[in-house]
Amino acid sequence: DTAVSQTPKYLVTQMGNDKSIKCEQNLGHDTMYWYKQDSKKFLKIMFSYNNKELIINETVPNRFSPKSPDKAHLNLHINSLELGDSAVYFCASSYLQETQYFGPGTRLLVL
Amino acid sequence: ELKVEQNPLFLSMQEGKNYTIYCNYSTTSDRLYWYRQDPGKSLESLFVLLSNGAVKQEGRLMASLDTKARLSTLHITAAVHDLSATYFCAVDIKGSQGNLIFGKGTKLSVKP
Repeated sequence: DTAVSQTPKYLVTQMGNDKSIKCEQNLGHDTMYWYKQDSKKFLKIMFSYNNKELIINETVPNRFSPKSPDKAHLNLHINSLELGDSAVYFCASSYLQETQYFGPGTRLLVL
Repeated sequence: ELKVEQNPLFLSMQEGKNYTIYCNYSTTSDRLYWYRQDPGKSLESLFVLLSNGAVKQEGRLMASLDTKARLSTLHITAAVHDLSATYFCAVDIKGSQGNLIFGKGTKLSVKP
């Protein structure tokens, strides 16, 4: 069984479009995260969210918004996509602040 | 601002050799993690180190933590080709709900 899953795996889209990436975890964790990995493999936290609190990395443009319909899901919605948004986006989850388990990644290419 | 520095960023080793990857961080933190990433794949948790002097070993990999020096090491013993991957250390931001700051990664290539 997949612990942390993301869809889609690949996403190719035009500049200016709006897109969403979905993330689901079946580990019973209470906290979920989104990370961005750029072309140089550098990983950067974007958001963390549990049922009480959303913490946003202040460097993340407000075109990015996390949406959590329930504890097992944290989706990432991106408005007005830009070329610089091309990257691999990883979802992760953890129980409290323990080890984070990562999803397979979504490879986003903005043309 | 918490900074995490790894070195080396690239490491080419011969099978059977030993080597150490270093991870320095700039402010106090509760936890230090080591992850492995294979090309085109996700991140796999290797170790979590919680306290000063902590040492953990799994196979040919051993991780240690010195909180006073703000330094963690990942030691590779008798490297084999299967260890070829990128290794990341990551440190949590105190009070941030577990948000991790990652080093830039060390790309390890083990050659026969």
